[in-house]
Amino acid sequence: GAGVSQSPSNKVTEKGKDVELRCDPISGHTALYWYRQSLGQGLEFLIYFQGNSAPDKSGLPSDRFSAERTGGSVSTLTIQRTQQEDSAVYLCASSLGGSNEQFFGPGTRLTVL
Amino acid sequence: DQQVKQNSPSLSVQEGRISILNCDYTNSMFDYFLWYKKYPAEGPTFLISISSIKDKNEDGRFTVFLNKSAKHLSLHIVPSQPGDSAVYFCAAKDTGRRALTFGSGTRLQVQP
Repeated sequence: GAGVSQSPSNKVTEKGKDVELRCDPISGHTALYWYRQSLGQGLEFLIYFQGNSAPDKSGLPSDRFSAERTGGSVSTLTIQRTQQEDSAVYLCASSLGGSNEQFFGPGTRLTVL
Repeated sequence: DQQVKQNSPSLSVQEGRISILNCDYTNSMFDYFLWYKKYPAEGPTFLISISSIKDKNEDGRFTVFLNKSAKHLSLHIVPSQPGDSAVYFCAAKDTGRRALTFGSGTRLQVQP
């Protein structure tokens, strides 16, 4: 079956602009996660959705970052007034409700000039 | 404060030999551990996991060992194959949370 998909695969933007990143989880997966990976680093947790609600937003680095999920499926991560330190690969993952195993998408590489 | 540490950024082994990747953690509330494999330009792929109530889990060529007293886990790959060349991430889950905490990864190169 289809895995987690993300779009765009690459995004180059200018400092100060807003960006939206999209994630389509595996069909039937109720849990959705956003992570980011900066150069040479491990993955850093950003936010977790169960259905359309986000019980854990503790990883969002600032109020410039927000995310929503609609219909228990697609999620959008929005970064406002982008900064150069936001440059990273943003990864989305999904899982069945009670499972610890998360399945990752290919990521969106964001470059802020 | 890195709660999950992979102290070896890279490892090179010969095809057919054993690869041992190591991971240390500091948070005693971690109750589940996972290994992911990542190829360039792809997302991480789940490899194998272990609950904190176990000390070993085996799946084909892959075995994960957990030493809770030492807060250490390791992934053994035997025999190693060139297709195993990738970056391996150790990850851990805190009791009561769903988020995973990742190490910084170890790049494994299996030489033919």
